[in-house]
Amino acid sequence: DAGVIQSPRHEVTEMGQEVTLRCKPISGHNSLFWYRQTMMRGLELLIYFNNNVPIDDSGMPEDRFSAKMPNASFSTLKIQPSEPRDSAVYFCASRTGQLSGNTIYFGEGSWLTVV
Amino acid sequence: QKEVEQDPGPLSVPEGAIVSLNCTYSNSAFQYFMWYRQYSRKGPELLMYTYSSGNKEDGRFTAQVDKSSKYISLFIRDSQPSDSATYLCAMSTSGGSNYKLTFGKGTLLTVNP
Repeated sequence: DAGVIQSPRHEVTEMGQEVTLRCKPISGHNSLFWYRQTMMRGLELLIYFNNNVPIDDSGMPEDRFSAKMPNASFSTLKIQPSEPRDSAVYFCASRTGQLSGNTIYFGEGSWLTVV
Repeated sequence: QKEVEQDPGPLSVPEGAIVSLNCTYSNSAFQYFMWYRQYSRKGPELLMYTYSSGNKEDGRFTAQVDKSSKYISLFIRDSQPSDSATYLCAMSTSGGSNYKLTFGKGTLLTVNP
């Protein structure tokens, strides 16, 4: 089975540029998560979708961050404009549904460096 | 006080050793407790999943939860070089907020052959 697929795996961009990260969840999974991982703060939940609807975006750091899920098989996380402090690993994750417990499956991450 | 505390290590052990990894937490509402393993430059993968208190064993891995002490542990028996990774504890409440996992920062483990 294909796992959660993220792209790009690595991105280096200049401050002020727009960054778009992409995610394809596992087929049949109804819930999708975007996480950010840094050495200082560890893994933080940015946003949670259920059935393509954003349920909890309280972790989105500021208005420069936005996320969409136009259909069950695709989501994007956009940063505009990017800043050096956005440098981190961004993970997308999915699970089968709200009642499936906490077995969430992570992608391999998008490693973002903003210079 | 952080909600979840985890000793970052690093922890270095010889092959075959018993490894003990631990987390403490402050939120008494946490009901689900998990351990994730994260290899270098990879995403976290679920290793163990426990509901409420007690022990759970899976092969060389044993997870323990002591809710009275707000303390969880992961034991690895007969550790192997392939166990070298960062181990993250995670926990959540039950009900509608069970999607919201709170992670420890992870313990970096190296098993030396």
